[in-house]
Amino acid sequence: SQTIHQWPATLVQPVGSPLSLECTVEGTSNPNLYWYRQAAGRGLQLLFYSVGIGQISSEVPQNLSASRPQDRQFILSSKKLLLSDSGFYLCAWSPRDRGGEQFFGPGTRLTVL
Amino acid sequence: SQQGEEDPQALSIQEGENATMNCSYKTSINNLQWYRQNSGRGLVHLILIRSNEREKHSGRLRVTLDTSKKSSSLLITASRAADTASYFCATSGWGTDKLIFGTGTRLQVFP
Repeated sequence: SQTIHQWPATLVQPVGSPLSLECTVEGTSNPNLYWYRQAAGRGLQLLFYSVGIGQISSEVPQNLSASRPQDRQFILSSKKLLLSDSGFYLCAWSPRDRGGEQFFGPGTRLTVL
Repeated sequence: SQQGEEDPQALSIQEGENATMNCSYKTSINNLQWYRQNSGRGLVHLILIRSNEREKHSGRLRVTLDTSKKSSSLLITASRAADTASYFCATSGWGTDKLIFGTGTRLQVFP
């Protein structure tokens, strides 16, 4: 069966510090991978979308970047965090070309102080 | 931008009652999905309805889709305290695997 892991679960970082959030998927190959951000009490905003190694689509201009160094690894990064980067970050995967359900990780709660 | 708008934003009911949540969207879709999120957790897929379907059931869940009105509803029958969560609709367009999520409905079911 497929599983998706995210870490860390919570993170408190000072403004201006770097960020690296990691997401890995097990039990499947060639998945689509997604990074979302969820502000408190709000819906999900798609940040990045990847259909393969090294292939990243950025959905909104922002202070963040994403990379996919391996087929089942997706990394969200920032060189210098802003206060507005605080939020709940969710990684998800879906089978390729199915237009179907996405499977979500447990999320990372990021607080930038 | 978020395409889906959900109504109501919050809903409080007693156990045993039915809960109805509505979702509206703006453009043509391939399918519409409903997800559940417990507080501080990831989302869990509940049900998917395709654009050529009008109604779908899964256990105590009933989803309807009206493509002419660009709207969907999720009905949870005989609700339980464990149904307390936020519920999101998400639409998938043609030729894409990306989803656009609504703003969500927070459901509180009191024992």
